[in-house]
Amino acid sequence: AQKVTQAQTEISVVEKEDVTLDCVYETRDTTYYLFWYKQPPSGELVFLIRRNSFDEQNEISGRYSWNFQKSTSSFNFTITASQVVDSAVYFCALSEPPNAGGTSYGKLTFGQGTILTVHP
Amino acid sequence: EPEVTQTPSHQVTQMGQEVILRCVPISNHLYFYWYRQILGQKVEFLVSFYNNEISEKSEIFDDQFSVERPDGSNFTLKIRSTKLEDSAMYFCASRLGLAYNEQFFGPGTRLTVL
Repeated sequence: AQKVTQAQTEISVVEKEDVTLDCVYETRDTTYYLFWYKQPPSGELVFLIRRNSFDEQNEISGRYSWNFQKSTSSFNFTITASQVVDSAVYFCALSEPPNAGGTSYGKLTFGQGTILTVHP
Repeated sequence: EPEVTQTPSHQVTQMGQEVILRCVPISNHLYFYWYRQILGQKVEFLVSFYNNEISEKSEIFDDQFSVERPDGSNFTLKIRSTKLEDSAMYFCASRLGLAYNEQFFGPGTRLTVL
C-alpha cells in the first residue's frame, strides 16, 4: 500500500525566511509519481509540481524548489524568501501510474498536510 | 483554460437526507475521481470512474455512495442517507488519459450535515 508522511504539522516563519516542507513516501511500485499541492484558505487544491520516479533531477521554479531523493524516499519542497501569500496548507501526494492492464487508475494518496504560516 | 467545475459550492442538509454533488470534468478527459477532505484532515480518495463504470473505490465508498455520468458532461456523487460524519469538502478531479499524469481538481463542494 502507498503511504505519504508529512511529519511537520505546522510551520511558522517570518517573511523572507526560507522554509522546507518535508515529505517521505512508501510504495512498492517501481514507477510512480509525486506531487505537491497548495490549499489556500479559500479551499481549492492548486497543483504545484509533478515528478516522475525515474527523474531524480531537482527542479526550481521561481522561489520554489523541490529535492527528490529516491534513496531516502523523500520529496521535499523549499520556498525561498517566503511571502505572506505563501500561507496555506501544503500537501504531498503519491500516485501509481494508470496502466492499460486496468489494475491501476492513478488515484492520489495524500499526506496529512503541513500548515505554513508566514508572518509579515 | 478549461477547468473542472463543481456545484453547489456549499450544501447544507439534514441527517438522513440524500444529496447529489455535481461535477463537470474537462470535456475531453476520460478518467474521473472523487476525493473527500474532512475539515482539518488530509484529502482521501473515494472512487475513480472510467469507461462508464467504477474502476476503483476506497473503503470509505460504501453502499451509501454512488457515482454516475448521466450524460456526456456531468459526473455526480450521490450520498443516499447522509450521516454527520459525511460533513466534508468533496473534490472532483479529471484526467485526460493514461499518458497524462496530472489530475485537475475542481474547487470543491463543502457538505454540511446537520
